Amino acid sequence: AQKVTQAQTEISVVEKEDVTLDCVYETRDTTYYLFWYKQPPSGELVFLIRRNSFDEQNEISGRYSWNFQKSTSSFNFTITASQVVDSAVYFCALIAMDSNYQLIWGAGTKLIIKP
Amino acid sequence: DAGVTQSPTHLIKTRGQQVTLRCSPKSGHDTVSWYQQALGQGPQFIFQYYEEEERQRGNFPDRFSGHQFPNYSSELNVNALLLGDSALYLCASSYGTGLYTFGSGTRLTVV
Repeated sequence: AQKVTQAQTEISVVEKEDVTLDCVYETRDTTYYLFWYKQPPSGELVFLIRRNSFDEQNEISGRYSWNFQKSTSSFNFTITASQVVDSAVYFCALIAMDSNYQLIWGAGTKLIIKP
Repeated sequence: DAGVTQSPTHLIKTRGQQVTLRCSPKSGHDTVSWYQQALGQGPQFIFQYYEEEERQRGNFPDRFSGHQFPNYSSELNVNALLLGDSALYLCASSYGTGLYTFGSGTRLTVV
């Protein structure tokens, strides 16, 4: 069975601080994809990144970076120099080959950036 | 290029009633998935439609049904509404099993 755990329910930091959102996943499949989505108050889920299980390279996109470590089954997300506009709920999700096209979601981490 | 469009954006229904939610996928996408997101939780997979057929279903009762039309748009129907059906219903489209694009959702309140 697949499972995604986001242990941090809510994080609050002051603007310009760096913040890391944790994601731990479980799957028996060797082929899978990991995702991060952002959900602002408007409700729409905004795609941030997809990483497949064979690509352990870390990714950097502007102030966002992702650290994928298969050894610890983790796919953590770091925002550098946070801004108020980063305030949202962030979800980590997993698709494994035996989950038949279903996205398995974590419970989300609510990120509050205070000015 | 329009993304995923869902209607209505908000809806209030009474227990026992029936509701239909609609989704128009992103241009070029042929697969539609529906998710239920309760307050403070992650989305839960309801079902997925491809080629006008239900391809996969999550752990939801038969009160939840759907349909996909030849133009790839989709409907989600919920019968005999319960208070616990109150949630944000999200539609996601994709081309096959490619990247999902999500709509802004329909917020359903059952009173």
